[in-house]
Amino acid sequence: GQGVEQPDNLMSVEGTFARVNCTYSTSGFNGLSWYQQREGHAPVFLSYVVLDGLKDSGHFSTFLSRSNGYSYLLLTELQIKDSASYLCAVRRPNYNVLYFGSGTKLTVEP
Amino acid sequence: DPKIIQKPKYLVAVTGSEKILICEQYLGHNAMYWYRQSAKKPLEFMFSYSYQKLMDNQTASSRFQPQSSKKNHLDLQITALKPDDSATYFCASSQEGDRGYEQYFGPGTRLTVL
Repeated sequence: GQGVEQPDNLMSVEGTFARVNCTYSTSGFNGLSWYQQREGHAPVFLSYVVLDGLKDSGHFSTFLSRSNGYSYLLLTELQIKDSASYLCAVRRPNYNVLYFGSGTKLTVEP
Repeated sequence: DPKIIQKPKYLVAVTGSEKILICEQYLGHNAMYWYRQSAKKPLEFMFSYSYQKLMDNQTASSRFQPQSSKKNHLDLQITALKPDDSATYFCASSQEGDRGYEQYFGPGTRLTVL
């Protein structure tokens, strides 16, 4: 939807890692944000990337390739409480409008 | 203390009626937004405001009218309600300009139209 695509579901194991992928159409790109949303709650901002490469923020890292219209959110040392939906949102040049993907529901198993 | 207040948390309305969703933010932000999230659909941008002025409107229907009486308020009036309007409506805010990518969301109002 809205030119931003994410897989619906992802499963991983506690203590390992998970990579949440996001692809988007490249026209009118002004950065990409990642949000976490728990069931029945509001989205919470995690990270923003606008330049190519890997941005390491500890538990969460983000990667961006603008030429490929691709980003991922990498969660390391997974905990059960990381189970949530992860939304990517592309910022277009029009005023601070965020176009969200449908979200990837991450399930972390023991 | 909650930084963004949305009222009510739950709202049930009948088709054809009119409702107002309330949003107040206490983050000192000058930019505010409305988004809608329906079941199995992406979070969808509706409106953005900056210093109480409409900046962008991507809602096709004029039945949705934002109202900003104070700089930290952005209410949403919905008229002639339809069952398809059933969704959770999120208000958000951010700093102005380049920092607008970091948006803080309120807890949402879950609207059900019967």
